[in-house]
Amino acid sequence: GEDVEQSLFLSVREGDSSVINCTYTDSSSTYLYWYKQEPGAGLQLLTYIFSNMDMKQDQRLTVLLNKKDKHLSLRIADTQTGDSAIYFCAEKADSWGKLQFGAGTQVVVTP
Amino acid sequence: GAGVSQSPSNKVTEKGKDVELRCDPISGHTALYWYRQSLGQGLEFLIYFQGNSAPDKSGLPSDRFSAERTGGSVSTLTIQRTQQEDSAVYLCASSLEDRGQETQYFGPGTRLLVL
Repeated sequence: GEDVEQSLFLSVREGDSSVINCTYTDSSSTYLYWYKQEPGAGLQLLTYIFSNMDMKQDQRLTVLLNKKDKHLSLRIADTQTGDSAIYFCAEKADSWGKLQFGAGTQVVVTP
Repeated sequence: GAGVSQSPSNKVTEKGKDVELRCDPISGHTALYWYRQSLGQGLEFLIYFQGNSAPDKSGLPSDRFSAERTGGSVSTLTIQRTQQEDSAVYLCASSLEDRGQETQYFGPGTRLLVL
């Protein structure tokens, strides 16, 4: 079955870059997403990438996709304390709507 | 406009009781999803509705769980005879449709605690 894996924890100093990694197994995945969850809040979509792309940049966020290795990463430039949250990657096949999520990466930004 | 809303925000119940969780999707969104977020299990898909099609119930963990969507809008997730392992955050999301890259917008969730 499908499986999405992420590292569970990342600590980064304010101002440095953060890189969160994700691997997935479903080769039919068409769209891959990054969601952010702050304490006590729901999930907020950060960005997504279509599977025929290998990179997408959106302000401080850069998404890299290696479809051959089924590896997705999210880079946050100039990480701020407000970036402390849990980050989920998710995959979706085009033929149905449900998202398959990873377990989430807890990012802690230290001053 | 308003986002996805869920009620109640918190629910404490006793083992064996039934609970109903409500989701109001974004107006005009035809697809509605329920997910569960629990410690040690991450986020797992439960059920989704798309328009008038039969719902995809493949993620419901047992027959104690059911959901309906009335009039293509509001949805209710019902858990009968709750068990302690049902304690989790239940998240609802909606999107314009279920295909393509249509973004799923999530509500704040209902935190369920079964004592």
